[in-house]
Amino acid sequence: QSVLTQPPSVSGAPGQRVTISCTGSSSNIGGGYDVHWYQQLPGTVPKVIIYGNNNRPSGVPDRFSGSKSGTSASLAISGLQAEDEADYYCQSYDGSLNGLWAFGGGTKLTVL
Amino acid sequence: QITLKESGPTLVKPTQTLTLTCTFSGFSLTTSRVAVGWIRQPPGKALEWLALIYWDDDKLYSPSLKSRLTVTKDTSKNQVVLTMTNMDPVDTATYYCAHRPSAGYIENWGQGILVTVSS
Repeated sequence: QSVLTQPPSVSGAPGQRVTISCTGSSSNIGGGYDVHWYQQLPGTVPKVIIYGNNNRPSGVPDRFSGSKSGTSASLAISGLQAEDEADYYCQSYDGSLNGLWAFGGGTKLTVL
Repeated sequence: QITLKESGPTLVKPTQTLTLTCTFSGFSLTTSRVAVGWIRQPPGKALEWLALIYWDDDKLYSPSLKSRLTVTKDTSKNQVVLTMTNMDPVDTATYYCAHRPSAGYIENWGQGILVTVSS
């Protein structure tokens, strides 16, 4: 069981907007720790698309945005494109035990 | 330019110990707040964090695997070594090492190494 909970799958038509949720607890997201999002295209290494809750690395389209509230975070993708079809993972730090990295279980985005 | 590369055996037998080496360049593991992490991904499944080693030699381990994992660093060689004992077929996965800068996210990933556990 993942420490952070994501929906297994989401889908949308080209041009639409989709959101992917990431639900945690008071020991991770709710504890004030940053949330980061990674995109893994089929057969490739994951890459960061949002860091520090809502920051985009250079080169990442502004169609991607992140937000955080309470014990949850969300990744929004607007103007959906076929090339966005991928697995998306959220990640944060968890302060329980002696501290650990927490990943979400991943969400498969299908562009219809 | 930051690069990381995992090396080690691609096939291990059940009960054996796996030793993987991450050789990196473009950053120093002596820089404050920098860390190197290990993450694995079974075929068709999700990412799973394994271990993290910080610049000051502090170490974090996945609670579910802590008893089987050891992570060490050799800053003179720019290497981080992950050891996992008592390997089982369920440990078959692609193992990644990753660079975590002070901002706390994974900025760079190695290419990954597929490790198969089979007799």
